[in-house]
Amino acid sequence: ETGVTQTPRHLVMGMTNKKSLKCEQHLGHNAMYWYKQSAKKPLELMFVYNFKEQTENNSVPSRFSPECPNSSHLFLHLHTLQPEDSALYLCASSPGQSHFSGNTIYFGEGSWLTVV
Amino acid sequence: GENVEQHPSTLSVQEGDSAVIKCTYSDSASNYFPWYKQELGKRPQLIIDIRSNVGEKKDQRIAVTLNKTAKHFSLHITETQPEDSAVYFCAASHSGSARQLTFGSGTQLTVLP
Repeated sequence: ETGVTQTPRHLVMGMTNKKSLKCEQHLGHNAMYWYKQSAKKPLELMFVYNFKEQTENNSVPSRFSPECPNSSHLFLHLHTLQPEDSALYLCASSPGQSHFSGNTIYFGEGSWLTVV
Repeated sequence: GENVEQHPSTLSVQEGDSAVIKCTYSDSASNYFPWYKQELGKRPQLIIDIRSNVGEKKDQRIAVTLNKTAKHFSLHITETQPEDSAVYFCAASHSGSARQLTFGSGTQLTVLP
């Protein structure tokens, strides 16, 4: 299944580095999301984009900067991260608010981020 | 906002036995309850969902039940197999909007051969 693809799958970065995570969906969906998954914690919603417009920012620190150039692509720009930011970052998409089935979220395989 | 509690956090069963995972939610307006399975190193994948207009839904060995009055829903897996071993997440949302999907903390299910 390659509906939502993420790159890179693994990333190690220093605290002073700048890197980006990329997500692409091939499902024709209108909404895209970034989630953070840490050990022994619920999935944390970070950002939501609907029709390229950011509709939700769950109090995410500014060292995480999302970008959504179109409905198929989503980026997460990373700079001056902290070791506690090490986690699995999952991109997801859904049909969007205009469909009742818009509740169904489809996840990418995730990007494992390690901050050293 | 919505709060979803999931229990147990870990569950071990013998192959062939049944497994039950329970979730409670706080927002009575929630009307959509999906369950996701995440195998080690892989993405969470939707395995079954239920909407508030029904009380039970089945798909082969998997079933989900919903009690709106008590605000809880459960995942039932019968005749468990080793490949059922994974982390299972429940979630709840309302208003037809995925952005309001709130996840439980997950249950690590281990099926012992």
